[in-house]
Amino acid sequence: EPEVTQTPSHQVTQMGQEVILRCVPISNHLYFYWYRQILGQKVEFLVSFYNNEISEKSEIFDDQFSVERPDGSNFTLKIRSTKLEDSAMYFCASSEGSGFHEQYFGPGTRLTVT
Amino acid sequence: AQSVTQLDSQVPVFEEAPVELRCNYSSSVSVYLFWYVQYPNQGLQLLLKYLSGSTLVKGINGFEAEFNKSQTSFHLRKPSVHISDTAEYFCAVKEAGRRALTFGSGTRLQVQP
Repeated sequence: EPEVTQTPSHQVTQMGQEVILRCVPISNHLYFYWYRQILGQKVEFLVSFYNNEISEKSEIFDDQFSVERPDGSNFTLKIRSTKLEDSAMYFCASSEGSGFHEQYFGPGTRLTVT
Repeated sequence: AQSVTQLDSQVPVFEEAPVELRCNYSSSVSVYLFWYVQYPNQGLQLLLKYLSGSTLVKGINGFEAEFNKSQTSFHLRKPSVHISDTAEYFCAVKEAGRRALTFGSGTRLQVQP
């Protein structure tokens, strides 16, 4: 069964550094998403991406964050100048198209900012 | 703004007993409803969904949920749980016309022998 994959599984970075989290969505899916889960808190929506542009974003997704689909298979989340409070599990998800509402999640990348 | 409330943070239950995990939501527009399961050290797996039609929906692993519009609830049930059902369960809501899922805080189901 096709699945969303994410790399790396765990990333440790120093405060102020830039990180790029990578995702490979399910191949025929058209919508891509990033969510995050700070330890002990709810899963929170960050951004959705369709047709090479952001279709929706939350207030969390400020200028520190950016997303990109650099090629036909990868979808990335860049976090500039990381802060301690960026430490979280970051989940990528994808869905088929506008008439399909279910989202399929990857295993997550645990980001630790020291 | 929409919100999702999972009333129980932890539910301990004995193996082969029935279980119900509660979920309530608030929204001013039509919604689509989901339950996801997260096993230890794994990602979120879609358990079941309500999009339209019959209010009783069946999912994987013997789980089912019932959408109650008047109560704004979407409770998850299983008639007989197994040790392997031990996991965290998340209720999620998607408003019509939006892409974002809003999640509840999760319920940890602990199945004891």
